[in-house]
Order: sequence, then C-alpha cells, then structure tokens
Amino acid sequence: QVQLVQSGTEVKKPGASVKVSCKASGSSFTGFYIHWVRQAPGQGLEWMGRINPDSGATDYSQTIQGRVTMTRDTSISTAYMELSRLRSDDTAMYYCGRPHSSSSYCVDYWGQGTLVTVSS
Amino acid sequence: QSALTQPASVSGSPGQSITISCTGTSSDVGGYNYVSWYQQHPGKVPKLMIYDVSNRPSGVSNRFSGSKSGNTASLTISGLQAEDEADYYCSSYTSSSTAVVFGGGTKLTVL
Repeated sequence: QVQLVQSGTEVKKPGASVKVSCKASGSSFTGFYIHWVRQAPGQGLEWMGRINPDSGATDYSQTIQGRVTMTRDTSISTAYMELSRLRSDDTAMYYCGRPHSSSSYCVDYWGQGTLVTVSS
Repeated sequence: QSALTQPASVSGSPGQSITISCTGTSSDVGGYNYVSWYQQHPGKVPKLMIYDVSNRPSGVSNRFSGSKSGNTASLTISGLQAEDEADYYCSSYTSSSTAVVFGGGTKLTVL
C-alpha cells in the first residue's frame, strides 16, 4: 500500500528557506511523478509543481517559479521541495502526493502534510 | 484568483442530488480529459473522488460522478448524505503556464 510520509512542522523567518521531505513506500518510487500542493489557512488548494523521480525533470507553477526547487534521492525513495525567500503568505500546509496509476495529472495518494509557518 | 471557476457554495437536502460546476478554458478543461475532483473535510487531507473527467478510484462511492461539456466540468453527487458535507475542488491539466490548475473550491452544505 502506497504511503507518503512528510517531515515535520517548520517555523521560519521571512527571507529564509525551507526544505520539506516526502518519503515514499509501497510502490515503485521512480514509476510515478510526485506532486506538491499547498493550502494556506482557510484557503483553497494550490498546485506548486511536480517532479519525475526517474529523470529528475520538473514542472513548476509560474506563481512560485524561481523560488521553488524540487529534487529527489532515489536511493532512499524521498522527494524534496525547497522554497526560498519565504514570505508571510507562504504560511501553509504543504502536501506531497502521487498520482493514480492510470493518470499523471491527479493526486491519489497524499502525504500527511507539513505545516510551514513564516513569521518574524 | 483561481484558474478554474467554481461556485463558492452549494447546498442540498439528504437524498437529493447536487451538481458542482468547474469552468475553465480550451487550454485546460475544454481541451483535455484530465479533470479531477477532490473532497476535503475540515482539517483532513484531500481525497481524490474523480479523475480523467469521469473515472472513480477504487473505493469511491458510485453516488459520485463526473462529466464535461465544452469548457465546463461537473461533479454530481446523488443520494446526498450528511457525510458528503465538505469542500470540493476541481483541477485540470493546463497547456498554458503550469501543468495543473485548481479551482477555488466549493463548500457543500447538507441541510
């Protein structure tokens, strides 16, 4: 059974960077994209980007391109999302997810979420 | 401002059917069959309910169905139950700017 386990809560100051990890188990790590989605408090879902764990190729949302970097370490089945130059409006729950086996553009399996708070 | 437009709220009584719309453009909803729907209860992780316009993942009730006409996709919930009260989000592949876009979300209230 597919499981995605994310790293813990982070508190950062404006201008700093945060790196969130997402460890996958239960299926081929390199067989499916890993998506990253965030949700600010009381707000909707926002797609951030995705990484192909096999090739390392990435697609990023234009709204945060330039501040986000997605990487992976296939040896430990872990994907990472690093967001730099943090602002207060980056405060959100950050989720990693894996698509359904039949479609690349949805998220069927979700991590538990990582709360990132940006505050001075 | 979200790329896909959803009504802020819909409501219905137990047993009734409701439909939530998701309007995009020919660059996303209208151009590709990659529309997905998610259910999210307060404080919980989103759950995939529909993918590729009308396909249900294993374990999702057949009371949930999806369709698309032109640039608008729809999620229909039949036989409404109290447990269906939640926020619902649509998403779609998009050929412009980003790979995936979400709607702003719709709050479903079961009266």
